[in-house]
Amino acid sequence: AQTVTQSQPEMSVQEAETVTLSCTYDTSESDYYLFWYKQPPSRQMILVIRQEAYKQQNATENRFSVNFQKAAKSFSLKISDSQLGDAAMYFCAYRSALNTNAGKSTFGDGTTLTVKP
Amino acid sequence: GAVVSQHPSRVICKSGTSVKIECRSLDFQATTMFWYRQFPKQSLMLMATSNEGSKATYEQGVEKDKFLINHASLTLSTLTVTSAHPEDSSFYICSASRTGGSNTEAFFGQGTRLTVV
Repeated sequence: AQTVTQSQPEMSVQEAETVTLSCTYDTSESDYYLFWYKQPPSRQMILVIRQEAYKQQNATENRFSVNFQKAAKSFSLKISDSQLGDAAMYFCAYRSALNTNAGKSTFGDGTTLTVKP
Repeated sequence: GAVVSQHPSRVICKSGTSVKIECRSLDFQATTMFWYRQFPKQSLMLMATSNEGSKATYEQGVEKDKFLINHASLTLSTLTVTSAHPEDSSFYICSASRTGGSNTEAFFGQGTRLTVV
């Protein structure tokens, strides 16, 4: 079974600065997908960024980027130029590429991000 | 992006009664939907995988007679919490993947906050 670990229950960052959220995972599969989701107080899950394991290039989406280290099974999220609206709980998630597990996600415990004005 | 609608967003019921939560994919077909449970400030825990036209697959420790899942069509899955008790109070979230689509993304409903009094 796959596991996802987020070792930082809480993080804080000053507005306009950069913060990195950590995530490690464990799997015996070679093909899979990794995701970062944002969950604001409304509790709607919002996809922030995704990474295909077969791609060596790190994914980026505007101010959000990842550092994907497949050998180390590490998948950290960097938020640049932090904004007050970035404050939320962030979840790292793993999804198998196997069709038998299509869509099933394993989540980390989450990191609560506070942005200080 | 694809839309998944979950209803109701909030429900209060009396102990011993049953409550039904609906999860609809509005603009795509979903052979498989997933039901998660989330306690405050905790991770999403997969409860069951809902398969259109067949029985749901429950995760270990989830009572299938208590959490009834029906996936009668390619756009609708329902979760019924039977004989609800205060300990069933939680936030329930569904997600769905497109039928025949890539496995790279699942779409989440907005969640249902269940309070059993």
